[in-house]
Amino acid sequence: GAGVSQSPSNKVTEKGKDVELRCDPISGHTALYWYRQRLGQGLEFLIYFQGNSAPDKSGLPSDRFSAERTGESVSTLTIQRTQQEDSAVYLCASSLRGMKNIQYFGAGTRLSVL
Amino acid sequence: AQKVTQAQTEISVVEKEDVTLDCVYETRDTTYYLFWYKQPPSGELVFLIRRNSFDEQNEISGRYSWNFQKSTSSFNFTITASQVVDSAVYFCALSRASGTYKYIFGTGTRLKVLA
Repeated sequence: GAGVSQSPSNKVTEKGKDVELRCDPISGHTALYWYRQRLGQGLEFLIYFQGNSAPDKSGLPSDRFSAERTGESVSTLTIQRTQQEDSAVYLCASSLRGMKNIQYFGAGTRLSVL
Repeated sequence: AQKVTQAQTEISVVEKEDVTLDCVYETRDTTYYLFWYKQPPSGELVFLIRRNSFDEQNEISGRYSWNFQKSTSSFNFTITASQVVDSAVYFCALSRASGTYKYIFGTGTRLKVLA
């Protein structure tokens, strides 16, 4: 596609429910990143994919968070047993590895946990 | 450890004024990249510039200019003759020049340009 696409754009859920957030990167981009942006704060790195593998998961805040990527394309970030502190905007970015590592971002998924 | 500091939380200017957004970074790497992104109300981060640590030349792109000073670990961004459309949150970011290239972001500066 022309840009990074994320869905849904907004998600409201109840505490304790599981949620899945989807990211469609730019076609051909082998690197994919997830970041979290809490209200009024900068973006925090969560996880990095190169192809379908995730060599850096260091930013995942707890074992309730997981992510996968299939076919060197779509990625899904799953949050289990959501908590109120998970409320944030989750942004996905992709890049051509080695191509000046400029990351191109989607518009994000705004998650609200009630 | 790497860190990016954007001390200005919010700046308000009147249209046509010049404005400078500050960015100070910390890293032990000798080679690294610095970036500026714009986040309009739509939420999508828009890439503005990438700077390699070896390239200290200042850059100008239209009304935008960037001043990279390695000696003070700063990478400041100036908008000349600001316009209402410049209103957004601006983020400075740092990445290593190897490995995952993940970004370390500052907390952002919200710029409000008043008509």
